[in-house]
This record gives sequence, C-alpha cells and structure tokens, in this order.
Amino acid sequence: QIHLLQSGAEVKKPGASVKVSCRASNYSFKSFGISWMRQAPGEGPEWMGWISGNNGDTNSAQKFQERVRLTVDTPTSTAYMELRSLRSDDTAVYYCARDAYDYGVRYFASWGQGTLVTVSS
Amino acid sequence: SYVLTQPPSVPVAPGETATITCGGNNIGSKSVHWYQQKPGQAPVLVVYDDSDRPSGIPERFSGSKSGNTATLTISRVEAGDEADYYCQVWDNNNYYVFGSGTKVTVV
Repeated sequence: QIHLLQSGAEVKKPGASVKVSCRASNYSFKSFGISWMRQAPGEGPEWMGWISGNNGDTNSAQKFQERVRLTVDTPTSTAYMELRSLRSDDTAVYYCARDAYDYGVRYFASWGQGTLVTVSS
Repeated sequence: SYVLTQPPSVPVAPGETATITCGGNNIGSKSVHWYQQKPGQAPVLVVYDDSDRPSGIPERFSGSKSGNTATLTISRVEAGDEADYYCQVWDNNNYYVFGSGTKVTVV
C-alpha cells in the first residue's frame, strides 16, 4: 500500500518560513511526482505545485510561485515544500499527494496525513 | 481562474439518497473526480473520471455528468457517509482545481 508520511505540526511567526517533508514508501519514488495542496479552515483543498520524483522539475500555481520552493531527496524518497514570508492567511493543513500526471492521471489516489501549519504572532 | 460550484450542505436521512452537484464552465469536456473527507483526515478518492470507483469504494457511490453539471450520488446513505465531499478537475490553465465542498449531514 502506498504510504506518504508527513512531518509534524508547525507554529511560525509572520514573515518566517516553514518546511514540510513528505516521505514516500511502497512505490518507485522516481516514477511519479508529488503534488502539494493546502486546505484552510472551512475551505476546499488548493493545489500549490508539483515536483517530479525523477529529475526535480517543478511547476507551481501562479499564486505561490514567488514564495514556494519544492525539492526532493531521491535517496530517501522524500519531498519537501518550503513556504517563505508566511502570513496569517497561510494557516492551513498542508498535504502531499502522489501525482501520476505523466501517466494521464489527473486525480490523487494517495495522500499524506496532512501537516498543520499555524502562523501567529 | 476556473471555479467549481457546489452546494454548501446536503441533509439526508439514513437509507435515502444524497445527491451532490458540481458545476463549472464547460465541465462536460473535463473529467471530474470526487473526494470524501472526514474531520481531521485527508481526502479519500471515491470516484474518478466521472463515474469510475477505486477499489474498496462501495457501489453505493456513483458519479455522473450531464451538460455543465457533474453529480455524485450516494445511495442508501449510512451514518458513516457523513463527511465533506469535494469535486476536482484538471484545467489546462489552472491545473488541479477543487470545488468548495459539500457537507453531507445524516439527519
């Protein structure tokens, strides 16, 4: 069974950065991408960006392009999402999900458990 | 930006049928996917490509599409079906787009 294990909850002050990890197991990490979503309280998920598990190519939503950095560490099958210049409205649960875009799949069958990021002074 | 519109809530009695709609411009030309999310949990895919079910999802969950509206139908609703449900599509300009969600309440 595909498993995506995310790092624990974070509390950050406005202006700081946060880095969330997502360790994948039980599949070939290099054969798929990882997408990152976030979900603010009471809202639907919002796609932030994607990274290739093979070569580190990335693509992100225009809204986040200037503040988000997506990376992968292939030897440990781990993806990272760093969000800079945090604001209070960045408070949300952040999810990673396996992305099978290269296979014509446009949905997410496997998700991480989520990481709550709270931005508060 | 591409917007998917869902009703905020759908109340349903146990054993009855819940119908959740998802509207979007030209949604008829896109594949629609549906997720169930219970409090404190990650979304779970319940229908993909308009009407297919992942393994392990009960047949009570079905999807359809007509014109500019996609529909998730939950037949013979059980208490355990109480959750938020989100539709999602791929848009060439906006990538992965999710609806605002519908809370199904079993009354």
